[in-house]
Amino acid sequence: GEDVEQSLFLSVREGDSSVINCTYTDSSSTYLYWYKQEPGAGLQLLTYIFSNMDMKQDQRLTVLLNKKDKHLSLRIADTQTGDSAIYFCAESAKDSNYQLIWGAGTKLIIKP
Amino acid sequence: ETGVTQTPRHLVMGMTNKKSLKCEQHLGHNAMYWYKQSAKKPLELMFVYNFKEQTENNSVPSRFSPECPNSSHLFLHLHTLQPEDSALYLCASSQDLRALAAGQFFGPGTRLTVL
Repeated sequence: GEDVEQSLFLSVREGDSSVINCTYTDSSSTYLYWYKQEPGAGLQLLTYIFSNMDMKQDQRLTVLLNKKDKHLSLRIADTQTGDSAIYFCAESAKDSNYQLIWGAGTKLIIKP
Repeated sequence: ETGVTQTPRHLVMGMTNKKSLKCEQHLGHNAMYWYKQSAKKPLELMFVYNFKEQTENNSVPSRFSPECPNSSHLFLHLHTLQPEDSALYLCASSQDLRALAAGQFFGPGTRLTVL
């Protein structure tokens, strides 16, 4: 079945770049998303990428998609303490009726 | 503020209690969802409603009973829960069932503890 995997934790120093990785299995993916969840809050859509793109940049965020390897990454430049959160990767795929398939989330820890 | 509200934010209940979770969206969306979020696990989709009609029930135990009286409101009725049902319950909405560029919009969740 469909599966989305991401590592559970990432620790970076304030001011460095954070790179959060995700792999997925469904080749019929149409959109891939990154959501952010801050403590005590619901999930907030950060950015998305359409499956025929390989890169998307939005201010400090850069999304890279390697469709051949089914690998998605989110790069956060100049990581700040406010970036501390859990980051979820999700895909919307034709074969799953466009329902979102979720990863378990990566907790981003910022070291001063 | 995402346009999706959930009440209560926190709920503690015994295994014999009956309670309800409420979700309301002010976005004019047609699809609404209940998810269960447990630590270090992917979000578990529980129920999906589209135009008030239930379209998905992902093998959820009958002690969880959803209700969607209109496209803006979604309830999750709880009765005789188990301690392993303790989790964060998230409500979400989307324009329609196809999660395209806009994705889904989430409420802040209800933190449920079953004693």
